[in-house]
Amino acid sequence: ETGVTQTPRHLVMGMTNKKSLKCEQHLGHNAMYWYKQSAKKPLELMFVYSLEERVENNSVPSRFSPECPNSSHLFLHLHTLQPEDSALYLCASSPRTGGEQYFGPGTRLTVT
Amino acid sequence: GEDVEQSLFLSVREGDSSVINCTYTDSSSTYLYWYKQEPGAGLQLLTYIFSNMDMKQDQRLTVLLNKKDKHLSLRIADTQTGDSAIYFCAESPSGTYKYIFGTGTRLKVLA
Repeated sequence: ETGVTQTPRHLVMGMTNKKSLKCEQHLGHNAMYWYKQSAKKPLELMFVYSLEERVENNSVPSRFSPECPNSSHLFLHLHTLQPEDSALYLCASSPRTGGEQYFGPGTRLTVT
Repeated sequence: GEDVEQSLFLSVREGDSSVINCTYTDSSSTYLYWYKQEPGAGLQLLTYIFSNMDMKQDQRLTVLLNKKDKHLSLRIADTQTGDSAIYFCAESPSGTYKYIFGTGTRLKVLA
């Protein structure tokens, strides 16, 4: 595998479920990011990790919980989501924070 | 506040040049990026420029920066149908963790 991978690619969950999104980067980068992409809205930066330490949390509701166990892996744990959380969730990595970003293909999340 | 603006749509004929425009607002030194997103895919980094540069060329892509007007453009020469996608402009002020994306310009290439 090369680049940035995300699993699953599609996820349908009920509002009471708990699920996790996974991101893995094979680029040797030090920073990783979660973004939310909704229709007709700019890309929203959710979380930033630098060397496994969270350095940015952009007022994201607590029903989204990130985890970065090492510099290659990033998770987004989801619980008690709302229908308005349905979106494409994109993971990205960069050689350093503030550098050019490389994105994964995204997870299309639908909350029913 | 910080804002990145782009026009929503652009339509060109195959073989013509496409010019996608973007304005940004941050006044400090900043990196400016262009990304391409095809249906069902993530964003693909195309090119980037630092705010102390005027121009950058990479094969069919030319980035022009007007620092005075905070205007950035992406020119695609000899546009092909495979260039049809959404193009995002983004800025990241130097020394910060911030990335501000525009809403994207949907480019449609007509055969």
